[in-house]
Amino acid sequence: EAQVTQNPRYLITVTGKKLTVTCSQNMNHEYMSWYRQDPGLGLRQIYYSMNVEVTDKGDVPEGYKVSRKEKRNFPLILESPSPNQTSLYFCASSLDRDNQPQHFGDGTRLSIL
Amino acid sequence: AQSVTQPDIHITVSEGASLELRCNYSYGATPYLFWYVQSPGQGLQLLLKYFSGDTLVQGIKGFEAEFKRSQSSFNLRKPSVHWSDAAEYFCAVGAWAGSYQLTFGKGTKLSVIP
Repeated sequence: EAQVTQNPRYLITVTGKKLTVTCSQNMNHEYMSWYRQDPGLGLRQIYYSMNVEVTDKGDVPEGYKVSRKEKRNFPLILESPSPNQTSLYFCASSLDRDNQPQHFGDGTRLSIL
Repeated sequence: AQSVTQPDIHITVSEGASLELRCNYSYGATPYLFWYVQSPGQGLQLLLKYFSGDTLVQGIKGFEAEFKRSQSSFNLRKPSVHWSDAAEYFCAVGAWAGSYQLTFGKGTKLSVIP
């Protein structure tokens, strides 16, 4: 089954404790991206990746890092999380930039205390 | 940079009634345009997309959208709403501005009255 898998689905942690949210897709997609969703703000793109070893900033990259060492994985790293990063995060992938649809994961709800 | 406006935060319609969700964008050229739907606790599902060509686009679940360049709009329509259509709907714009960015509107929540 074609899917985008995020882990964990829920996480409560404390300020400053490094965390990683993993994202994996099994569709051999080139394009992957991360979004955060906040009430009243819709989805905002954090980072995206056009292919292996190619990443670029989205609208709200501050406080986040990503890597794309292999095609299927695109982890989101919060080196020093802060409470303003409490949000619902979505990973998405598509065959390439122009070939939508983007397939979305089920989301990761992060709470930073 | 591009921007997307969904003027209606919340819309309530009766089951069987027609629906139109508004979306306006700001961009110097014709961007890529999308509508997504998000059910509670779920990720986003693509309803339809516009890249070029015919300005009336058909999507899944009986939805359609019309691109109007003169109005910078991409409104979503459905002739008869079903209770299962209750969800949040997002319009999105994809464009190149040095790099490719996909920008979402803030969403319109649809409630359906039986």
